[in-house]
Amino acid sequence: GENVEQHPSTLSVQEGDSAVIKCTYSDSASNYFPWYKQELGKRPQLIIDIRSNVGEKKDQRIAVTLNKTAKHFSLHITETQPEDSAVYFCAASIRSGTYKYIFGTGTRLKVLA
Amino acid sequence: DTGVSQDPRHKITKRGQNVTFRCDPISEHNRLYWYRQTLGQGPEFLTYFQNEAQLEKSRLLSDRFSAERPKGSFSTLEIQRTEQGDSAMYLCASSYLAGDTDEQFFGPGTRLTVL
Repeated sequence: GENVEQHPSTLSVQEGDSAVIKCTYSDSASNYFPWYKQELGKRPQLIIDIRSNVGEKKDQRIAVTLNKTAKHFSLHITETQPEDSAVYFCAASIRSGTYKYIFGTGTRLKVLA
Repeated sequence: DTGVSQDPRHKITKRGQNVTFRCDPISEHNRLYWYRQTLGQGPEFLTYFQNEAQLEKSRLLSDRFSAERPKGSFSTLEIQRTEQGDSAMYLCASSYLAGDTDEQFFGPGTRLTVL
């Protein structure tokens, strides 16, 4: 069935360093990949997304890469700041029908000052 | 706050009781989703409405669960005869498909604790 694996489950980095979170999806029909940030006690919020017709997308310190052949996609955060500390979820979706998201299990990122 | 709202934010109930949650999506959004999130896991899809029609239900949604969106606006999720395994955060999300835009906006969730 549909599945998204996410690694690592926890990640600690020093402030200013980069963080990379990786996801693998199972359904080759998936063509939309959003990333959500969830701070403690708050709702998930979209930070960046990518569609399958591009291989990379960047928004300031955040970038996402997609390898359709390998069914891998990754989130890259550069120059990390303490406010980047949160749980990050990747998801995969098929842009037809319900457009439901299949989420990964999350990565707890801790940025150490 | 003009985003997705959910009520109540927290619900504590005893096993066997029925509970009902409400979700108010962003007003122009025609698509509404319910997800369940347990500790340390990502949200899991439960069900989807397009306007008032419930078009997909996950196998996670046992016959004790029912969801409605009677007028294509707010939605309710009811759990009958609650079990301890139902304890989770129930998240609602809405979206409006227009061109390339289909971002799902999430509500703050209803945290259910079944004692």
